[in-house]
Amino acid sequence: AQSVTQLDSHVSVSEGTPVLLRCNYSSSYSPSLFWYVQHPNKGLQLLLKYTSAATLVKGINGFEAEFKKSETSFHLTKPSAHMSDAAEYFCVVSVPTGGFKTIFGAGTRLFVKA
Amino acid sequence: KAGVTQTPRYLIKTRGQQVTLSCSPISGHRSVSWYQQTPGQGLQFLFEYFSETQRNKGNFPGRFSGRQFSNSRSEMNVSTLELGDSALYLCASSLEPSGAYEQYFGPGTRLTVT
Repeated sequence: AQSVTQLDSHVSVSEGTPVLLRCNYSSSYSPSLFWYVQHPNKGLQLLLKYTSAATLVKGINGFEAEFKKSETSFHLTKPSAHMSDAAEYFCVVSVPTGGFKTIFGAGTRLFVKA
Repeated sequence: KAGVTQTPRYLIKTRGQQVTLSCSPISGHRSVSWYQQTPGQGLQFLFEYFSETQRNKGNFPGRFSGRQFSNSRSEMNVSTLELGDSALYLCASSLEPSGAYEQYFGPGTRLTVT
């Protein structure tokens, strides 16, 4: 069975400090992995995606994620948090099972303190 | 290029009624997916349409249905509304069936069932 687990429901960091949002997945197939961000009262926006190319993926706004097959992880990082990064982040796995099945993680709410 | 549009943005219905939500994908995108977002259940996949055919379906009762037109616009219908159907309904479009392709989300339709 396919699943995705975001290990933290809330993460709080100070502005200028690193961000780490953790995501583990389970898949019997080679998955495609995505991170999306949702700002309050706005739709979801793609941050980055992994589709079996380079394991270190760079996204928008300074975010990046590393695909680690041995650890079944796809953690999202950013070297220095900005106030505008405060939002909810979703890790998403998509697997090719009778048409693609897309599964969203429960989300991690990122708080950024001044 | 215009983004994904959803109409209406807000809707209030009474239990037992039915509702139809509309989604216009980005020009050139042929795949449309629908999601339900609630505080308790998070983001859950409803169904995906590609070239007017349902490609995939989530675990929702038959009261939830959808369709896609030849111009790729999509509608979803919920019949016999229940209080638990109150949610943000998100539509997403992609070039091809979602999987390796990123999805572009609309702002959502906020449905309140009283």
